[in-house]
Amino acid sequence: SAVISQKPSRDICQRGTSLTIQCQVDSQVTMMFWYRQQPGQSLTLIATANQGSEATYESGFVIDKFPISRPNLTFSTLTVSNMSPEDSSIYLCSVEDTEAFFGQGTRLTVV
Amino acid sequence: AQSVTQPDIHITVSEGASLELRCNYSYGATPYLFWYVQSPGQGLQLLLKYFSGDTLVQGIKGFEAEFKRSQSSFNLRKPSVHWSDAAEYFCAAQPNNDYKLSFGAGTTVTVRA
Repeated sequence: SAVISQKPSRDICQRGTSLTIQCQVDSQVTMMFWYRQQPGQSLTLIATANQGSEATYESGFVIDKFPISRPNLTFSTLTVSNMSPEDSSIYLCSVEDTEAFFGQGTRLTVV
Repeated sequence: AQSVTQPDIHITVSEGASLELRCNYSYGATPYLFWYVQSPGQGLQLLLKYFSGDTLVQGIKGFEAEFKRSQSSFNLRKPSVHWSDAAEYFCAAQPNNDYKLSFGAGTTVTVRA
């Protein structure tokens, strides 16, 4: 099984600023995913991050707002740019190994 | 369109009573099916999964789920709940030709003493 470390676990940010969330996996994985869970809502896939190529974004999500890096097979970052209170959510990193594994999530509050 | 539906937003159950959480899916072909649990402040933990074969699937923490093709359902059950089962439960589906998971809206389970 894959173990995922996600940092930070939570943060409170000012509107207009950006936050970069890190996701570290204890094994090499091909596919990594970023999800958003808005308050009281289910998980929505933001993008798929593959090493060596640009991330693939789902409808409603754009690279300028959620730039993603995937420098190697064990690490990825998601940046939430120019934040507004509507970006307050839990952001989760996930990897596909024998099954999908999830990080603990980053609880972001934008004030 | 592909979708996963959890009809129950919130369920309250007494400790020791049985629990059943409903999940329906709408896919062209039968997807892979999953149940996850999210405890407060925690990430998602996989309870069980169905790919094919036996339609009654056993999972962790005493949970089981039954796949019913005729009803496009994958309901989660536990015979006797414990206070520690209070959490958010998500049903998810994955097309068998893709890695993307689609989640239902979730069901919040409250356990009363």
